[in-house]
This record gives sequence, structure tokens and C-alpha cells, in this order.
Amino acid sequence: QVQLQESGPGLVKPSETLSLTCTVSGGSVSSGSYYWTWIRQPPGKGLEWIGYIYYSGSTNYNPSLKSRVTISVDTSKNQFSLNLNSVTAADTAVYYCARANVSPSSIDYWGQGTLVTVSS
Amino acid sequence: QSALTQPASVSGSPGQSITISCTGTSSDVGRYNLVSWYQQYPGKAPKLMIYEGSKRPSGVSNRFSGSKSGNTASLTISGLQAEDEADYYCCSYAGTVVFGGGTKLTVL
Repeated sequence: QVQLQESGPGLVKPSETLSLTCTVSGGSVSSGSYYWTWIRQPPGKGLEWIGYIYYSGSTNYNPSLKSRVTISVDTSKNQFSLNLNSVTAADTAVYYCARANVSPSSIDYWGQGTLVTVSS
Repeated sequence: QSALTQPASVSGSPGQSITISCTGTSSDVGRYNLVSWYQQYPGKAPKLMIYEGSKRPSGVSNRFSGSKSGNTASLTISGLQAEDEADYYCCSYAGTVVFGGGTKLTVL
């Protein structure tokens, strides 16, 4: 059974960089046709796809966030990470890490989510 | 990329069937048979209910079914139960990935 767990600061100051890590257990980030994905959900609002890193290392980002986003992977720790720079209050959200299987829109495993608040 | 269009809310009585629509364009829903549907309870992570338009993951009730016609995908829940009350999101591949705005299902 694959499990994903987000970790990182719950509070980030405006203009700084939001950094989160997702630790994967029960599976390897470097095997299979999986897309290791980040999704966010502002309080009381809907889901927004941020992007993914494919098991091969290629990435794909939401065009509206592309200039500020980097997703990377650390195979030695079986983790993948999200960096979002120049944050504003609009980036306040619950951030989920997840795994998509076979196609990027078939997201079969999710982390529990972590709330990140952008505030001074 | 624009969000897919879903009704903000739908409702039904126990035992009834309801359908949630998800309208996209010929660049996403209409182009790819890669629509998925997610169920989300308050404070919880979403759960995959339908993938690749009409396939159910293991463990998902066969009361949930998916379909597509043109640029519109649909999720149908038959034999509505109180536990089905939740938010539902559609999602499509479109070169990137796009979600719908979500639909709140109320079981009367």
C-alpha cells in the first residue's frame, strides 16, 4: 500500500519561497509509470493542479504557476519536493502530494495534505 | 488552461440517481478519454472514484459510473446513500491537468 506524507513549514512570509517535501513509502519514486504530483486547495475553494515529475525525471507544470514552480525528486530518500517562489497570500492553501498512475489525471494515492499559510 | 465547468450543487433523495456534469472543450474532455472523478469529504484528501472516463478503481462501489459525450463528461451515482454527500471534482488531461470547480452533493 503506497503512502505519501507531506512535510514542511506551515507559515511562509510573502515574497519568500514555499518548500514542501513528500515522503513516499510502499513504493519507489523511480519505478513504474507514475507521475509524482502536487495539487493545492485554497481554504473553501476547489482543487488546483500544480504539476508533476514523471518517474523518468521529466516535469510538467500548470502554465499559470510555471514561472514560480520547481518540482524535483530525491531517489536516495524516496522523496519528491515542491518549491514555489515569490509567494503571496493567494498561495495560502492545503497542499497535497499525490501519485498519478498511467495518465497524469488518474490520481490514485494522495497524502493527507498540509496547510501552508502565507503571512507576515 | 481554463477550469472545467461543473454545477455548484446537486441534490437527491436516498435511493434516487443523480448525475453531475463536467463540461470542457475539444482540447481536454473532448480530445482525451482521460477524465477522472474524485470524492472529497470536508477536511479529507480527495479519493479517486472514476478514471479514464468510466473505469472504477478496486473497492469503489458500482453505484458510481462515468461517461462522456462530446466535450461533456458525467458522473452518475445510483441508489443514492447518505454517505455519498460530499464534494465531487472532475479532472481531465489536456497536455497539462485541469480540474473542475467542484460540485457539492446534498442527500436530502
